[in-house]
Amino acid sequence: DAKTTQPPSMDCAEGRAANLPCNHSTISGNEYVYWYRQIHSQGPQYIIHGLKNNETNEMASLIITEDRKSSTLILPHATLRDTAVYYCIVRKISGNQFYFGTGTSLTVIP
Amino acid sequence: GAVVSQHPSWVICKSGTSVKIECRSLDFQATTMFWYRQFPKQSLMLMATSNEGSKATYEQGVEKDKFLINHASLTLSTLTVTSAHPEDSSFYICSAITGSNTEAFFGQGTRLTVV
Repeated sequence: DAKTTQPPSMDCAEGRAANLPCNHSTISGNEYVYWYRQIHSQGPQYIIHGLKNNETNEMASLIITEDRKSSTLILPHATLRDTAVYYCIVRKISGNQFYFGTGTSLTVIP
Repeated sequence: GAVVSQHPSWVICKSGTSVKIECRSLDFQATTMFWYRQFPKQSLMLMATSNEGSKATYEQGVEKDKFLINHASLTLSTLTVTSAHPEDSSFYICSAITGSNTEAFFGQGTRLTVV
């Protein structure tokens, strides 16, 4: 079951940081926050995941609030190729399944 | 990252026929694979979880006799859409998790059109 709430769409200027919010107010202590994105007509691509600490990799940063009820995915310098639907997913540490919510359609504008 | 490959990328079939879609993990062994379907402008809907050597677990509302899943090896799972009808036309996507169970890697998807 999807347990996340995301805005349906966002725009971002090319070269600027894209900040995508996600609300997961019912998250429990044994659940991770994952982010995936899906470029049109392709399979989803893993971006990043975290439990309670902020995480950073070559693609993005994940900021999780102290109470873990929300998080923000940050793409530091958005490019046109970052235009995609971004999915925030909550998943149990010991779980298998990834249930997708409605996601945020990000459009990067030249 | 790990690579998951689906075949075919797209298929057109006649109503009433069956279609098989393959999902392979190319560089890792996947004890668990997942099958999703996605209608236009909608999110991915999990259909079933496929475990190597055992019966698949289907999500509520998914007909197991219509969507046959076989996971005969650690690198291959197949989805067969039996007696396909136009309403089965959709984008089917598989994914697999690695032994560390931390990430799911997705195939590129299969576009099924039933005419």
